[in-house]
Amino acid sequence: DVVMTQSPLSLSVTLGQPASISCGSSQSLAHNDGNTYLTWFQQRPGQSPRRLITKVSYRDSGVPDRFSGSGSGTDFTLKISRVEAEDVGIYYCMQGTHWPIFTFGPGTTVEIK
Amino acid sequence: EVQLGESGGGLIQPGGSLRLSCAASGLSVTSNYMTWVRQAPGKGLESVSVIYSSGATFYAASVRGRFTISRDNSRNTLYLQMDSLRAEDTAVYFCARVAYSSIDSWGQGTPVTVSS
Repeated sequence: DVVMTQSPLSLSVTLGQPASISCGSSQSLAHNDGNTYLTWFQQRPGQSPRRLITKVSYRDSGVPDRFSGSGSGTDFTLKISRVEAEDVGIYYCMQGTHWPIFTFGPGTTVEIK
Repeated sequence: EVQLGESGGGLIQPGGSLRLSCAASGLSVTSNYMTWVRQAPGKGLESVSVIYSSGATFYAASVRGRFTISRDNSRNTLYLQMDSLRAEDTAVYFCARVAYSSIDSWGQGTPVTVSS
């Protein structure tokens, strides 16, 4: 089974400052169809998860452009260029290459300093 | 607009059974890949089961043999039958749509508590 890791598990950021979350996988997420199925979700307190980014770097409609994703193979990064108050929550990466059962990272809690 | 609404959660004793429902609108549960994901209190997300549009079903090792995913085309509803429940099955259960090897739509979740 693919194991997903994230670091840090907790992040305290000053408003307007950047934030970066790393995600790693125990196996390459490069699919033989040419895509890499790495997704990022945001879960605000008391809410369901919301997809932010799919296939490493493609932002969903309505997601602010301060969110960006990058990476390849087994190492991926979610960056928030300037953290806003509404960004508080838990961020999860998820692999969809080796499925049908998806695997999530443990989550990174983002709070405002 | 896609909407998913879970129901059926509650308090159940260990060893008991519960059936969760997920009523869908804006999509067909039969034409899409659908999944159940759970989140234990204060914990992360765990994919529990997936059903393909073909009807093929898959389960996480932690629930295989105890949980059954199914769907009803006439009601456009996804189900999760949970038997032989254990304390570690306590979680909020979300239904969600799978699209292009990702999850693009989530319900609001229904809580399940397994306790005596």
